[in-house]
Amino acid sequence: QKEVEQNSGPLSVPEGAIASLNCTYSDRVSQSFFWYRQYSGKSPELIMSIYSNGDKEDGRFTAQLNKASQYVSLLIRDSQPSDSATYLCAVKSGYNKLIFGAGTRLAVHP
Amino acid sequence: GAVVSQHPSWVICKSGTSVKIECRSLDFQATTMFWYRQFPKQSLMLMATSNEGSKATYEQGVEKDKFLINHASLTLSTLTVTSAHPEDSSFYICSAMMGPTYEQYFGPGTRLTVT
Repeated sequence: QKEVEQNSGPLSVPEGAIASLNCTYSDRVSQSFFWYRQYSGKSPELIMSIYSNGDKEDGRFTAQLNKASQYVSLLIRDSQPSDSATYLCAVKSGYNKLIFGAGTRLAVHP
Repeated sequence: GAVVSQHPSWVICKSGTSVKIECRSLDFQATTMFWYRQFPKQSLMLMATSNEGSKATYEQGVEKDKFLINHASLTLSTLTVTSAHPEDSSFYICSAMMGPTYEQYFGPGTRLTVT
């Protein structure tokens, strides 16, 4: 069973701080990785995709991938209360399906 | 970014009736679309993969005769919940995959309540 593991949280950070969200996956041959944000009662929204080892930055978000360690992370700089949501890590399987982690709940407090 | 719409956004129906949910990719063509279900405070559960012009592939435990999926064009997939029962009440979400990147873009979801 291919798995994606995330800490369920909640991860609580003060406004303006860096939030660090982590994810590990079990399938060594995975090549495509995604971070989604899901607000309560809403559908997931794609934040970042990453395919190569290293860092990928987009605004306040940085995704980091280490295939050797089977580890993906998402950093959110200058966290805002509006960033409070559940963050889902997803890994593409061989059938183009996404395998989702259970999500990490992030709470940014003023 | 890519936009996916769903209609209706919410629906209430009586037990035993059927409900159709539409999913459209508005600004890109999607050869593959996916249907998910999510119960409150639970993870997304993939129900089926829908490929344009072919039969859907259902996940284990999902009744294909109950959840009918049609992907008639590169921008439209439909999910019909047949003979709905209260236990089918859930949040149904579709996604459309952008081919070269494998990125999935989600629709806003349809909240189904069966009374």
